[in-house]
Amino acid sequence: EVQLVESGGGLVQPGGSLRLSCAASGFTFSSYWMSWVRQAPGKGLEWVANIKQDGSEKYYVDSVKGRFTISRDNAKNSLYLQMNSLRAEDTAVYYCARAHSNFYFDYWGQGTLVTVSS
Amino acid sequence: DIVMTQSPDSLAVSLGERATINCKSSQSVLYSSNNKNYLAWYQQKPGQPPKLLIYWASTRESGVPDRFSGSGSGTDFTLTISSLQAEDVAVYYCQQYYSTPLFTFGPGTKVDIK
Repeated sequence: EVQLVESGGGLVQPGGSLRLSCAASGFTFSSYWMSWVRQAPGKGLEWVANIKQDGSEKYYVDSVKGRFTISRDNAKNSLYLQMNSLRAEDTAVYYCARAHSNFYFDYWGQGTLVTVSS
Repeated sequence: DIVMTQSPDSLAVSLGERATINCKSSQSVLYSSNNKNYLAWYQQKPGQPPKLLIYWASTRESGVPDRFSGSGSGTDFTLTISSLQAEDVAVYYCQQYYSTPLFTFGPGTKVDIK
């Protein structure tokens, strides 16, 4: 059974940093593109970043470029999102998602809430 | 960037009746070389992550009831729930992956019981 379990969310002040993690199991992690998708409270879905199987390619939505860094450790079946210079508008539930052939998202984690507030 | 819009914002349908959700992309998501529409639909129930329903605009994901169907091509797409059940109350999102590795979602359509 495919499982994606996010962790690392919490309350952080504006300008602060946070590192999210996603533990994957039930599939060959190293064979899939992986993504982070976020959802602000009461709002819709926004794709944030994705990373190729070997980590050689990474892509970001414009609003997080230069502030967020996606990475992965295939030996640990883990996906990460380093978030720096956080802003109030980054407040959201962050989902880890498996990207089928880097097209659509066929499995999602339960999400971890990031709140940026003073 | 490809912008996705959905209509209506919300709808209320009687149990057993048909629900129709529309999704429009700002440019065609039909890839001419393989004649595939790069569009997916998701269902999100309250307090849960999204769930993939449909990909390639009309292919149902394994385990998705056949009352859910997707149609359309180019820039205009439709998700139809042929006979609404109580468990279908959710927000439905379309997503284009034509611009992969960049993606955009529609704003969502909330479906309730009338």
